[in-house]
Amino acid sequence: DTAVSQTPKYLVTQMGNDKSIKCEQNLGHDTMYWYKQDSKKFLKIMFSYNNKELIINETVPNRFSPKSPDKAHLNLHINSLELGDSAVYFCASSPLLAGGPMNEQFFGPGTRLTVL
Amino acid sequence: AQSVTQPDIHITVSEGASLELRCNYSYGATPYLFWYVQSPGQGLQLLLKYFSGDTLVQGIKGFEAEFKRSQSSFNLRKPSVHWSDAAEYFCAVGSNDYKLSFGAGTTVTVRA
Repeated sequence: DTAVSQTPKYLVTQMGNDKSIKCEQNLGHDTMYWYKQDSKKFLKIMFSYNNKELIINETVPNRFSPKSPDKAHLNLHINSLELGDSAVYFCASSPLLAGGPMNEQFFGPGTRLTVL
Repeated sequence: AQSVTQPDIHITVSEGASLELRCNYSYGATPYLFWYVQSPGQGLQLLLKYFSGDTLVQGIKGFEAEFKRSQSSFNLRKPSVHWSDAAEYFCAVGSNDYKLSFGAGTTVTVRA
């Protein structure tokens, strides 16, 4: 009964390849996020979708493209992978807070991407 | 834009001793404040949050945090740590544009 799940957990690939990471939440939340955690454990928001609509698009290379087929899923596709893309990618979801946009976020277990 | 500073990169504490992790934030409006914990190889788990009301908030696992507007701080405390509290702790501030900004984290080591 995992609340926020990600697949795969580990991903090892060569430079230049294209890969996808999938995220699903069964919490009924409206908002989903992708974060990147670098080797120094710094977490940075990449994207956010609210009811399948993109609401946050931080300064990330356009090789990264999120896709939300429905509000329970938010996938991350990465083209032409580079060494610097190696990191742990976390998906998260949150419900809407009545009277305000911010609420706690529930995180998935992470996907460790290694680009060789 | 909002930001979070966690001044302590690494803290070592003896089992049974008290723990305090510092967090300072920068945000122009009323902040939404969070503390998350990340165990090795795991995702982030919410310990507690502050949106409004009582400035002393209680969380899971015996943690509490106090919001001090005058000091722009939201420090996390636990009276008596257990070996299982060894982890990475992140303070975060949320804004009205849905963004959650994290501090750099504090690594807590618990010695027997």
